[in-house]
Amino acid sequence: EVQLVESGGGLVQPGGSLRLSCEASEFSFSDFWMSWVRQAPGKGLEWVATIKEDGSEKYYVDSVKGRFTISRDNAKNSLFLQMNSLRAEDTAVYYCARGGAVPGRFAYWGQGTLVTVSS
Amino acid sequence: DIQMTQSPSSLSASVGDRVTITCRASQSISSSLNWYQQKPGKAPNLLIYAASSLQSGVPSSFSGSGSGTDFTLTISSLQPEDFATYYCQQSYSFPHTFGQGTKLDIK
Repeated sequence: EVQLVESGGGLVQPGGSLRLSCEASEFSFSDFWMSWVRQAPGKGLEWVATIKEDGSEKYYVDSVKGRFTISRDNAKNSLFLQMNSLRAEDTAVYYCARGGAVPGRFAYWGQGTLVTVSS
Repeated sequence: DIQMTQSPSSLSASVGDRVTITCRASQSISSSLNWYQQKPGKAPNLLIYAASSLQSGVPSSFSGSGSGTDFTLTISSLQPEDFATYYCQQSYSFPHTFGQGTKLDIK
């Protein structure tokens, strides 16, 4: 069974940094596009970033461009999200999600990790 | 960016009812439309992909239709476990935007 397990969330002050990780198992990680999707408390889903199988293409929502970096280590079956210059509005549960035949079709999700940006 | 607009934002219905949720894209997205169900405290669950294809393991009471800019999700006969929030999402182009969600609760 496909498994995605996020880690790295926590409380951080505005302007701070955090690095999220997503460990994948039970599928060939290097064959799939991977993404991060977030959900602010009580709000809807927001796509954040996507990375191609080999890491050669990366896409971001405008609100995080220049601050967040998506990356992957296929040898370690891991996806990352480096988040810098964090703002209160980045507070959310962050999910990693696996693409399918289409990069943006998310059939598999992790359980999420909560990031809280507050002083 | 493509904007996705769902209607209604909330909906009250009874077990056994037939329910339809609408999603409109701000420009044509062909059939690149997905529907998700989310229950409180849980990750979303893919129900329908490519506008009308049922994801494996999803009950046949769920169906999707549409193409271009207008799409619908229909639940033919509501079951107690169907009360949740539903989101549409376009996978036509980046950013892969979601609709704002439709909360379905018990009347």
